[in-house]
Amino acid sequence: AQRVTQPEKLLSVFKGAPVELKCNYSYSGSPELFWYVQYSRQRLQLLLRHISRESIKGFTADLNKGETSFHLKKPFAQEEDSAMYYCALKRPGNTPLVFGKGTRLSVIA
Amino acid sequence: EAGVVQSPRYKIIEKKQPVAFWCNPISGHNTLYWYLQNLGQGPELLIRYENEEAVDDSQLPKDRFSAERLKGVDSTLKIQPAELGDSAVYLCASSAGQYEQFFGPGTRLTVL
Repeated sequence: AQRVTQPEKLLSVFKGAPVELKCNYSYSGSPELFWYVQYSRQRLQLLLRHISRESIKGFTADLNKGETSFHLKKPFAQEEDSAMYYCALKRPGNTPLVFGKGTRLSVIA
Repeated sequence: EAGVVQSPRYKIIEKKQPVAFWCNPISGHNTLYWYLQNLGQGPELLIRYENEEAVDDSQLPKDRFSAERLKGVDSTLKIQPAELGDSAVYLCASSAGQYEQFFGPGTRLTVL
């Protein structure tokens, strides 16, 4: 079975400070990993996926298969980054997402 | 493009009453998902459709929940009768096969 663990329910950082949202997963195969974000009063939307190895809004995430982790990082947090962040895993192919419980990021001015 | 559309956005009912949620996916998306999101939790899959066929409904409590996607486009999720524990957000998502899933705004259900 697949499982995604986000150990922090709430993370508060000051504006300009580095941010790291932790995500660990459990899956025996080769997963696809994603970070989804939900801003206040908006719908859940894809932030980034490990396959594309892209940087979106200054965020990056590297898949570490040895540690089964996919932590989300940003060097300098902005107030507009305050949101709910969900890490998600998908088996290859047309399969549903398995989400973690989410971490609420609060960036303090 | 309106994205995935869901209605109603909010619903308050008394326990034992029936309730239905509607979802219209993005045009051309053959895969449709219903997720349940309880407070403080991430979304969990209830049912997945490929066109009009339910291909994964193992997490759907079939004693009270039902869903349909008759023409392979929009979908309805029903609860009858609703229980207090069904209070949650019901999310619909769609994708073009294995590609990115796009989520709707959700329906927040409160059962009194």
